Amino acid sequence: EDQVTQSPEALRLQEGESSSLNCSYTVSGLRGLFWYRQDPGKGPEFLFTLYSAGEEKEKERLKATLTKKESFLHITAPKPEDSATYLCAVQGFNFNKFYFGSGTKLNVKP
Amino acid sequence: DGGITQSPKYLFRKEGQNVTLSCEQNLNHDAMYWYRQDPGQGLRLIYYSQIVNDFQKGDIAEGYSVSREKKESFPLTVTSAQKNPTAFYLCASRNPGQGHNQPQHFGDGTRLSIL
Repeated sequence: EDQVTQSPEALRLQEGESSSLNCSYTVSGLRGLFWYRQDPGKGPEFLFTLYSAGEEKEKERLKATLTKKESFLHITAPKPEDSATYLCAVQGFNFNKFYFGSGTKLNVKP
Repeated sequence: DGGITQSPKYLFRKEGQNVTLSCEQNLNHDAMYWYRQDPGQGLRLIYYSQIVNDFQKGDIAEGYSVSREKKESFPLTVTSAQKNPTAFYLCASRNPGQGHNQPQHFGDGTRLSIL
């Protein structure tokens, strides 16, 4: 069964305390893996696309990596404004079908 | 600024009533999507459209209907047949013409509740 699982469900960090979020998938025929940030009451905001194992993308304090079975979103020295829910989505053979994880809710305390 | 506009932000439905959620985009994207988001669950696909006058059912289409008469617009109707409509509804678009693995871009959602 095609599936995307994100862990942990929730993560509390102190400002400056680096950590990683995990997205594991069992979707066949990976076309792309997408990371989004979602603030309360808002739509998801696109962060990164990863296409193949070994690929890495960076933006400010965020770095996304991809293997054949999972992706990590590394957050270095987070700030309170990084608090949000981070969503992972995987696109398989059917390029109109995106499998979403249930997200990791990140809370960064000052 | 280019983007996706969803309206209204909040919507209340009475029993037996159909309601329509609006989604408009000025990104010139061909493909548009409707998702439902429930607490603790991933986004679930309701309907999608790859081109004007064409649309396909997603995983949870029962109780919903759509139309795509213009490239910019993809309204979603929640019918009285949808018995559990309370959720956050998200509209998205993407431009497959730039590559099949282009990301989706989302509006800011409509929260639908039952009166």
